[in-house]
Amino acid sequence: DAKTTQPNSMESNEEEPVHLPCNHSTISGTDYIHWYRQLPSQGPEYVIHGLTSNVNNRMASLAIAEDRKSSTLILHRATLRDAAAYYCILRDRGSGSARQLTFGSGTQLTVLP
Amino acid sequence: GAGVSQSPRYKVAKRGQDVALRCDPISGHVSLFWYQQALGQGPEFLTYFQNEAQLDKSGLPSDRFFAERPEGSVSTLKIQRTQQEDSAVYLCASGLSRQVNTEAFFGQGTRLTVV
Repeated sequence: DAKTTQPNSMESNEEEPVHLPCNHSTISGTDYIHWYRQLPSQGPEYVIHGLTSNVNNRMASLAIAEDRKSSTLILHRATLRDAAAYYCILRDRGSGSARQLTFGSGTQLTVLP
Repeated sequence: GAGVSQSPRYKVAKRGQDVALRCDPISGHVSLFWYQQALGQGPEFLTYFQNEAQLDKSGLPSDRFFAERPEGSVSTLKIQRTQQEDSAVYLCASGLSRQVNTEAFFGQGTRLTVV
């Protein structure tokens, strides 16, 4: 799977929007962009995914650059419960075997009250 | 329950002891993954099952690690002759299909401490 680059940590104030960036300059045409987050002492949980177009769901929005070399996860109104490690992951729909999620080190988001 | 269940939640093993970690995936899920997560790191892939077939075990760190899913549902990760470097959280995830545009559901993990 292609590599992603994320900042190690970010801070946000409660009730403000948060933009979490991810660079994936070597992305291929068959890679989906997935975001997972991991709250303290929990397993990772799915947030959102997309291929080319921007995506919205009840948890977040995903903005994908036109050249697909970067994306941004947007939390519209951060709460204390959103403090977690956020992982940007590429999954190749063309790969032949496990298609497992390959986690990097992610971005640790701190939400300040 | 509705989610992926792992047991035990915590396990302390003496060095050299064998351990078995259990994963109950969501009913009907075809895909099952095991991950290892060291403190402060992201999860690292260990192995993957599609139903009862183990299609990828490239992430298993040594031949002391063994995983099975004999009936295509419950899976067990076994570690023989545990070493201190095996101390980590072991995560299990299941997915409805092999398709990469679907989500994986993770359990809370088993924290293994080898003393």
